[in-house]
Amino acid sequence: DAKTTQPTSMDCAEGRAANLPCNHSTISGNEYVYWYRQIHSQGPQYIIHGLKNNETNEMASLIITEDRKSSTLILPHATLRDTAVYYCIVSPGPTGANNLFFGTGTRLTVIP
Amino acid sequence: GAVVSQHPSRVICKSGTSVKIECRSLDFQATTMFWYRQFPKQSLMLMATSNEGSKATYEQGVEKDKFLINHASLTLSTLTVTSAHPEDSSFYICSASNPTTPWTALHFGNGTRLTVT
Repeated sequence: DAKTTQPTSMDCAEGRAANLPCNHSTISGNEYVYWYRQIHSQGPQYIIHGLKNNETNEMASLIITEDRKSSTLILPHATLRDTAVYYCIVSPGPTGANNLFFGTGTRLTVIP
Repeated sequence: GAVVSQHPSRVICKSGTSVKIECRSLDFQATTMFWYRQFPKQSLMLMATSNEGSKATYEQGVEKDKFLINHASLTLSTLTVTSAHPEDSSFYICSASNPTTPWTALHFGNGTRLTVT
């Protein structure tokens, strides 16, 4: 069963920041928040993950609320190649990450 | 970084034949690999967990005699769709994690699109 809720679709103008929300109100203390994306007809691509602190890498930033019940993935400067389905997944730590449940995700369309 | 390679990327077969899909971890040893299936406009569904040197664990509703999984080495897992039927047409994706890299995420292959005619 999905533990996360995401909007079905979003649009973002090219060059602007894309902010993708995710609700995970039933997240457990040992569960991480993972974000993956899937470009059409490809395998999912890992983006970022976090436990309770905000995280940033070369692809994106992850903002997790203090109560950990929701998070936001931020793509700072969206490009056309960022058009994809973005999945927010909660799962236990590194070993638990092996078995990821994919919900329906958010279909992000970056508009020129 | 870690790379998972899947082959073939696309295959068309006739109903009743069998198809083998390979999943390789290219720069790490994966004791566990996972097989997912994705129907059009749907999300990924876990089919089975492949463990090196032992039998695979199948998710409820997945026929183990139809979807044969072999994980004979630390870098290769295979999924064989036996006696394929048109309803088996789908996008099959494998994944693996690197057990030697702490806090690593799951790495996915690029998928195999199977079309059964």
